[in-house]
Amino acid sequence: DGGITQSPKYLFRKEGQNVTLSCEQNLNHDAMYWYRQDPGQGLRLIYYSQIVNDFQKGDIAEGYSVSREKKESFPLTVTSAQKNPTAFYLCASSYRGQRRFFGPGTRLTVL
Amino acid sequence: KNEVEQSPQNLTAQEGEFITINCSYSVGISALHWLQQHPGGGIVSLFMLSSGKKKHGRLIATINIQEKHSSLHITASHPRDSAVYICAVRGTNFGNEKLTFGTGTRLTIIP
Repeated sequence: DGGITQSPKYLFRKEGQNVTLSCEQNLNHDAMYWYRQDPGQGLRLIYYSQIVNDFQKGDIAEGYSVSREKKESFPLTVTSAQKNPTAFYLCASSYRGQRRFFGPGTRLTVL
Repeated sequence: KNEVEQSPQNLTAQEGEFITINCSYSVGISALHWLQQHPGGGIVSLFMLSSGKKKHGRLIATINIQEKHSSLHITASHPRDSAVYICAVRGTNFGNEKLTFGTGTRLTIIP
């Protein structure tokens, strides 16, 4: 079955720790995206990548980093520099500006 | 003022009712997306449209470019339609890959 997977579903982080959220797709999509969702707010773009080995900052990239070494994978690292990381994180992919396909999300909580 | 405004914020209806959710935007766009987010957090893309009307099953999406307005209609609503419906626009000034999201309309269908 084609789709996007994210892991883990729930993640707990201690203050000062870096954590990495996984996102994998087997849809052969070129573009991949990371969004953050907070209660009462619309989704906000963290980073996106249109091609392997290239990525662009979104609206709220500070405190996050990404890599795109393979077409299928676009992991997101939440660094200790991100002061308020507790949120729901969604990964998505698309083919040439077409509809987005979303993963199931990772809920990150800082302890 | 947000660039994408949805109304109503919350909507409760009886099973079988005809549902309308509205989305207004303030910028020029190249496409508008309607998304559905279920209580578990996963998001499904329902429609992407740039003009006219699209239909899929009991769902109908319309857009009026001149009035900068789109509607999502659900006919013969069912409790399984209960979800948050999100409107998102791809602006002509934002670049091809960036979407601006509304804050969503929470729909509850009572049996």
